Amino acid sequence: AQSVAQPEDQVNVAEGNPLTVKCTYSVSGNPYLFWYVQYPNRGLQFLLKYITGDNLVKGSYGFEAEFNKSQTSFHLKKPSALVSDSALYFCAVRVNDMRFGAGTRLTVKP
Amino acid sequence: SAVISQKPSRDICQRGTSLTIQCQVDSQVTMMFWYRQQPGQSLTLIATANQGSEATYESGFVIDKFPISRPNLTFSTLTVSNMSPEDSSIYLCSVDRSGPWGYTFGSGTRLTVV
Repeated sequence: AQSVAQPEDQVNVAEGNPLTVKCTYSVSGNPYLFWYVQYPNRGLQFLLKYITGDNLVKGSYGFEAEFNKSQTSFHLKKPSALVSDSALYFCAVRVNDMRFGAGTRLTVKP
Repeated sequence: SAVISQKPSRDICQRGTSLTIQCQVDSQVTMMFWYRQQPGQSLTLIATANQGSEATYESGFVIDKFPISRPNLTFSTLTVSNMSPEDSSIYLCSVDRSGPWGYTFGSGTRLTVV
């Protein structure tokens, strides 16, 4: 069975500081991992994905994520947070279909 | 990536009634997915809809409550039947056309049952 966990319900950072949103996964075989963002009253938007290759994946809006097989993690990072990054972030894993983590609400304060 | 039009964007419905949500994709896709996002929670897969066959429902979801149609490769509907306040959620359709292995989502239908 595939599953993904986001251990933090809420992450608060100050604008300009680096941010990390954590994700761990459990799958049989090679994982396909994703990050999505949901802004208020909007659908989900794709940020980035890991399929194979380089463990550091770069995505939209300056976000990146690092695949760590030994720790079964896929944490989302950004070197310098913006207030406009405040949103709900979902990690997802795909085998046959897409399964989502519980979501982490990121708040970036000015 | 595919463009998905989902409607209605929101609705307020009386308990006991039914609402049909429509999802139109700008290109042909084999699989379409329906998700539910309850308030403050993550997305839960309701069912997978393939054209020309019965939808496949996830545990906890049944066809009588959430009938799905998939008449062609660009369109699907999800009906929420005999609604109760517990059905108040955001319902999202998605397709597998975001590039390799990614999904594209509709903007969602925010349903409130009173």
